[in-house]
Amino acid sequence: QSALTQAASVSGSPGRSITISCTGASNDVGNDNLVSWYQHHPGRAPKLIIYEVSKRPSGVSNRFSGSKSGNTASVTISGLQAEDEADYYCCSFTTSGTFVFGPGTKVTVL
Amino acid sequence: EVHLVESGGGFVQPGRSLTLSCTGSGFTFDGDTLSWVRQAPGKGLEWVGLIKSKANGGTKDYAASVKGRFTISRDVSKNIAYLQMNNLQTEDTALYYCTRDFQKDSFAWGYWGQGTPVTVSS
Repeated sequence: QSALTQAASVSGSPGRSITISCTGASNDVGNDNLVSWYQHHPGRAPKLIIYEVSKRPSGVSNRFSGSKSGNTASVTISGLQAEDEADYYCCSFTTSGTFVFGPGTKVTVL
Repeated sequence: EVHLVESGGGFVQPGRSLTLSCTGSGFTFDGDTLSWVRQAPGKGLEWVGLIKSKANGGTKDYAASVKGRFTISRDVSKNIAYLQMNNLQTEDTALYYCTRDFQKDSFAWGYWGQGTPVTVSS
C-alpha cells in the first residue's frame, strides 16, 4: 500500500487547467526535492514529465509544471488536450533510501 | 540513444525463482542508477529496487515487499542488469520494467524498457 495519496481521478475540459496532488509525509515528499511525476498511457511505458519537483525534461510540453509545498507535491496540466488523458503517478525518495509511487490519478479529458 | 530491453519473464509457480534481464545500450552501464519498477494487473506502479551508479558505490536498495527475496545485480561487461526473484508469490505477478536515471543523481526514471511480464500461479 502506497504511503503517498493521490485523488483517484481528475477531469477537465479541453483548454482548461487541472492540478493533481500527491500528499506524503516529512520522511518522503517533505524531506527533499526528489519528487518526480510520470504519465502512463495503458500499453505503453511510463514517461517522466517532471523531476526534482519542478524540472521538466527536454521534449516535455511546457504545459506541465510541478511544485511542492510542505508534504504535498503537485503537477498542473494547462491547456488540457485529449492526448493528456492518461494515468499520472508521483514518486518520492524516502529517508529509508527507497522510493515510493503514489497510487496514481486517472485524468479524463471531457 | 539510450535503449533498455527486458527479458526473462514468464509463468512460474509460487515458491519458485525467476531471473529477469535488462540489456542496455547507448550509455555507460555502471555510470547511471538502474531501477526496477513493476505494475500488477489493474494496479499502479510499484518501485521494486535499484542499483546505484559506480560513482555512488553501486549500492542497492529494495522495497520492503521484496527485500530478502529479490536481488539486483549488474554485469558491466555485458551491459546487462539482473533482477533475481526468489520465493515468488502470487502478488509478484506484474509487468516488470527496467528503468534508468534520467540524469546522474536525479533519481527520476527517465528511460524505460517495454517491460517483461511475470505470472506467478499454481
